[in-house]
Formats: sequence, C-alpha cells, structure tokens
Amino acid sequence: ETGVTQSPTHLIKTRGQQVTLRCSSQSGHNTVSWYQQALGQGPQFIFQYYREEENGRGNFPPRFSGLQFPNYSSELNVNALELDDSALYLCASSYSTSGEDTQYFGPGTRLTVL
Amino acid sequence: SQQGEEDPQALSIQEGENATMNCSYKTSINNLQWYRQNSGRGLVHLILIRSNEREKHSGRLRVTLDTSKKSSSLLITASRAADTASYFCATYNNAGNMLTFGGGTRLMVKP
Repeated sequence: ETGVTQSPTHLIKTRGQQVTLRCSSQSGHNTVSWYQQALGQGPQFIFQYYREEENGRGNFPPRFSGLQFPNYSSELNVNALELDDSALYLCASSYSTSGEDTQYFGPGTRLTVL
Repeated sequence: SQQGEEDPQALSIQEGENATMNCSYKTSINNLQWYRQNSGRGLVHLILIRSNEREKHSGRLRVTLDTSKKSSSLLITASRAADTASYFCATYNNAGNMLTFGGGTRLMVKP
C-alpha cells in the first residue's frame, strides 16, 4: 500500500453532469499526476501538477481540469461528462518531475457515466 | 497513442513456471519502468532500468533492456498464484513529466 489515497472509490454519474475526484499525495511528494484507464487498456496521462501549477498535459480536452493545493493534494474535475469518460481514474504522486522518479499510485476512482 | 506495447497481451502459466513479458517502445528513453496492477486497482512500481543498463534484478524479477531494438523484457521466475496481475511497461517523455504506458500483459498463474 502506498500513502496515496483517492476518493470516492466508486461514482456513478449521468451524461452532462460534472464530477470532482480527489487525491491525497504521499507525504513529502510535491508532484501529482492523473491518469485515465479504460477497461482492458493501459493508463493514459491526463496532466501533472507540480507545486500548484500544471506541468504538462496529455491529449485530453479542456473539460478535464485540475487543481493542486498548498498541501499538495489534488483534484480532477471533469465537466459535461460523456459515456466514454467511464474509466478508472488514477492519481500518482512523486518527489519531483525529474523523469527518474517512481510514481506512487492511489487505488483509483471508478467512474461510471450512464 | 501509447509509447510501449506489451507482448503477449495475455499469458497463462502454472505455478512454478517462469513468465516472460516483452515491451517495445518508439522513441529514445532515459529509463524504462515496469509496474504491476492487481485487478483494476492502483499500480505498483516494480523496477526501473536506465538506458545505460542492459539487465537488472530484483528478487524473482529480471529486466533486460535493448535500446538498439527499443525493447525490454520482464522475467518472473518461479511464478506464484499471487503473481496473477497485469504488468505494464512505461517510459517518460523528454520533459520528464509524462509517463506513457503500454497496453499491458495480463498474467494468470494457476495453482
């Protein structure tokens, strides 16, 4: 078990709604990355936050947005939900953005969009 | 698009046998990492191999890296039922801020 926690564990929403997912990073980590994992596929990078600023973004539309707080916890917000947004959302924390760091993953939030 | 692609997509073996998974990637890398995921839960980091390393061991895990072929392999020796999971290779982009995963190998170890 890593020290990364995510809430909620499961969530069911309907198309068009908005959702906020939360992540608490491991103690001492200032970098949080978010990933979307569709069933049967590998995780896809959404974005990364470093010291409260976005530090890189994958190929996701602007309705995916995020925040990082002074305590380095983070939120992922998704507006105007679509059916294809149904997935496991993973956050991961690390010590830095060096590209050499291990990322420590939380257990994920499973989002179902009906 | 995914940087790494694992092969095979699924592997079923008996307890005690060795399991070998392969990963290919497209661009130059500084390092390559392997992660494990139990049934739709969070990923756990297994091992990191740098681009100047050819082989690395950690317990029952052995990872090789061939940068000329842009490929890596993960060998799990003397497999156990508890090794049943999905295994992913992953590489960072040049900026070091985006970890790109392959599609994974789903390993089943039968007792």
